[in-house]
Amino acid sequence: AQSVTQLGSHVSVSEGALVLLRCNYSSSVPPYLFWYVQYPNQGLQLLLKYTTGATLVKGINGFEAEFKKSETSFHLTKPSAHMSDAAEYFCAVSDDSGGGADGLTFGKGTHLIIQP
Amino acid sequence: ETGVTQTPRHLVMGMTNKKSLKCEQHLGHNAMYWYKQSAKKPLELMFVYNFKEQTENNSVPSRFSPECPNSSHLFLHLHTLQPEDSALYLCASSQRQRYNEQFFGPGTRLTVL
Repeated sequence: AQSVTQLGSHVSVSEGALVLLRCNYSSSVPPYLFWYVQYPNQGLQLLLKYTTGATLVKGINGFEAEFKKSETSFHLTKPSAHMSDAAEYFCAVSDDSGGGADGLTFGKGTHLIIQP
Repeated sequence: ETGVTQTPRHLVMGMTNKKSLKCEQHLGHNAMYWYKQSAKKPLELMFVYNFKEQTENNSVPSRFSPECPNSSHLFLHLHTLQPEDSALYLCASSQRQRYNEQFFGPGTRLTVL
């Protein structure tokens, strides 16, 4: 069974500072990894995903994440935080390597706070 | 309408009521999902439908009853719920062959009194 651990339920950074949200996973097969963002009163929106190939993945809104198999990590970064980045961020894993439709396993989420 | 829509957005019901949540996807996907999002807990997968067939029931109590009449529509029928069932219920869809990238609706905020 797979699992996801997000370190830090709340992360606070200053506007313009580096954003780093941590995610570690466990999976019995090569994983597919995702970062989603949730703004208040909205559903989840995909930021980026890793399936195969290049381990540094770029997503929307200037975010990127690096898959490190040796560390079983998929940390999310953004060089310069913007006030509009304040939201809840979820890391998720799927070990559905067979092309089927399985649900995702999510971490508990990290609430990102941007200080002016 | 585009993407994944859910109705109603907010629902308040008593423990003896019967209500239904509706989800519709306009993306041409063939898999649909129900998730439960409670405060301070990870999103919990409830049900998976693959080509209208239920392929996963994640030990969900029988007071939650899903229905998938076609690949575009998904319902969650609710009856005799408990206060601890109050949560945000999210619907998602995906294309079965697309690395399981899921697209989410805005959710229904359910309050059980």
